Amino acid sequence: NAGVMQNPRHLVRRRGQEARLRCSPMKGHSHVYWYRQLPEEGLKFMVYLQKENIIDESGMPKERFSAEFPKEGPSILRIQQVVRGDSAAYFCASSGQRGPGSYTFGSGTRLTVV
Amino acid sequence: AQTVTQSQPEMSVQEAETVTLSCTYDTSENNYYLFWYKQPPSRQMILVIRQEAYKQQNATENRFSVNFQKAAKSFSLKISDSQLGDTAMYFCAFMKHADQGAQKLVFGQGTRLTINP
Repeated sequence: NAGVMQNPRHLVRRRGQEARLRCSPMKGHSHVYWYRQLPEEGLKFMVYLQKENIIDESGMPKERFSAEFPKEGPSILRIQQVVRGDSAAYFCASSGQRGPGSYTFGSGTRLTVV
Repeated sequence: AQTVTQSQPEMSVQEAETVTLSCTYDTSENNYYLFWYKQPPSRQMILVIRQEAYKQQNATENRFSVNFQKAAKSFSLKISDSQLGDTAMYFCAFMKHADQGAQKLVFGQGTRLTINP
């Protein structure tokens, strides 16, 4: 069991480009969560998805950010027209059931906007 | 909305000493979970310990234990016989019990712990 896989580990984008972050949940997990960690801060919830559905996106910025978890393939967090303030570490977590027992984090993607 | 506060931005102790990290939280929920996560320089989020609010007994995991005071909304982490490998950022986190919807973690700002040789 490979755990939660996030790629790329590091991503550098110029201002105005698009960033695509991928997350493959643990085998058997159908719940995916995305968090953002700004420098020297704790993680902040962005969005919760199940297969083909966005369940809670209350933490997502209103513009430029979107997420999906298709029937096949990894979950994708997409940031359009990136700005310097988007530089952060983005973490994905997955779980397989209700309750926190199987909640597992990936290693994160560090996005740097130059 | 729930909030989690860690009032110690940084702490430093000598190897083998005992250290306690503080965490307070604010919620109107009665049924919830509390966590301590460790984040070393590798950036990986590692679960250290978890406490269910309905359990009065404090959770322990080897050298790690918590002091859970539900009425005071306090959840401190004690690390005994500290080791160099304990050097990391430590985050306290809250999750309310939810039969439906997102099971979101709400994190504190973190405490940077350094264990000195």
